[in-house]
Amino acid sequence: LAKTTQPISMDSYEGQEVNITCSHNNIATNDYITWYQQFPSQGPRFIIQGYKTKVTNEVASLFIPADRKSSTLSLPRVSLSDTAVYYCLVEGYSTLTFGKGTMLLVSP
Amino acid sequence: EPEVTQTPSHQVTQMGQEVILRCVPISNHLYFYWYRQILGQKVEFLVSFYNNEISEKSEIFDDQFSVERPDGSNFTLKIRSTKLEDSAMYFCASSEEGDSNSPLHFGNGTRLTVT
Repeated sequence: LAKTTQPISMDSYEGQEVNITCSHNNIATNDYITWYQQFPSQGPRFIIQGYKTKVTNEVASLFIPADRKSSTLSLPRVSLSDTAVYYCLVEGYSTLTFGKGTMLLVSP
Repeated sequence: EPEVTQTPSHQVTQMGQEVILRCVPISNHLYFYWYRQILGQKVEFLVSFYNNEISEKSEIFDDQFSVERPDGSNFTLKIRSTKLEDSAMYFCASSEEGDSNSPLHFGNGTRLTVT
């Protein structure tokens, strides 16, 4: 049973805000929610992490409702260079289990 | 920003040969990992390493694989007798701590091609 479920792909245009939602119905009390980004032929890159409510950094925001059964990664004003695969991971320890992620395609 | 570095970026080897993939983790990190990604597939966990010993390994990490931290900076993955199906991107990662609120920092990988 997959720990997380996220859309396989999303399309957007430059300058738009993109929200990618991830479902994690069986999240455990000590699990953190972490998002990674991966470009072709590169290693995954940490974007943001949260436990509850809202977290914001210079790259993205992460919204987590009170029940923690889902989370939404928000990318403000995307550019072409944001085209990548985005992974949502829910783990209680640092060994990560990657799913297929969401392939975000940003067009001009 | 400190980063994880991996060498070589691309390694071509013949089936049955031994290869060593090298990684320099971020200097103050204590936990080290190897992952692999076969072309078009998911990123898969191989092994984690802490305090000079393996802390966890997946079923992919069988007897042909080994890891070592030969000195204070390098972390290596050895594949003893390569097979065609070992062709993949191999990513090294490190983290400050071993719990989930300590994110992993990945290198850009070594592309291993077994012919």
